[in-house]
Amino acid sequence: DIQMTQSPSSLSASVGDRVTITCRASQTISSYLNWYQQKPGKAPKLLIYTASSLQSGVPSRFSGSGSGTDFTLTISSLQPEDFAAYYCQQIYSTHYTFGQGTKLEIK
Amino acid sequence: QVQFVQSGTEVKKPGASVKVSCKASGYSFTSYAMHWVRQAPGQRLEWMGWINAGNGNPTYSQNFQGRVTITRDTSASTTHMELSSLRSEDTAVYYCARDRGSYRLGIFDYWGQGTLVTVTS
Repeated sequence: DIQMTQSPSSLSASVGDRVTITCRASQTISSYLNWYQQKPGKAPKLLIYTASSLQSGVPSRFSGSGSGTDFTLTISSLQPEDFAAYYCQQIYSTHYTFGQGTKLEIK
Repeated sequence: QVQFVQSGTEVKKPGASVKVSCKASGYSFTSYAMHWVRQAPGQRLEWMGWINAGNGNPTYSQNFQGRVTITRDTSASTTHMELSSLRSEDTAVYYCARDRGSYRLGIFDYWGQGTLVTVTS
C-alpha cells in the first residue's frame, strides 16, 4: 500500500491566517492526490482533486499544489468555517489510501 | 440536487453481518461509480471498495476481501454494502461516496451522511 503522511497532525491558527498543510506519499503518485475537509459528525467534503483542481463551489482561498511525493493544501485567509479536519487521499494506486488527517483549531 | 440517504445506526454482535444501504437521488444512478469508505473512531478514512453502477461489477479492497459484498439495485437507485464476520475493530462510521466518473476515478464528489455500526458483545 502507498502510505500517506500528513503534517502537522494538528494546527492552531487565527481567522485571517495563511495556513499550509503538507501531505507526503511513500512513493511517487504523480498528481493523483485529492484533499477533503471534514467537520465533526459530518461526511468529508471534496476540496481539491488531482493535486490542484478546485472542486466546484469551493472558495478560491483553498488551493493545492505538488506532484510526485510532496503536496500542499493552502488556505490563504482562514475563515471561521474552515476550522475542521483535512485529509489527503492518493488515487495513483487502485487501492486508495488516506492520510491520518490534520486538525485545524482556533487559536 | 445530488443526495444520498443511508440506512440507520446498527448494533451487532461479533461474528454477525451488517448490511448498510445508500439511496441516491438527483442524478442518473447508473452513470457514476459508487464507493464505500469507513472511519473508525479517531482513525483515518479507509477505502473498502467500489461498484460500477452501470454493470454492477464490484471491486474490493484487499483489506476486506472475502468479508465485504457491494451490490446495487438500479430500480431503487440504491447501493448496498454488507460486511460479514464482524469484530470489534469494525466499529466505525460507514460512508457511501459517489465517484466523479462512471468508472473509477477515485474522486469522491458527494457523500452519504454516514451510518454508525457498533460491534459489541
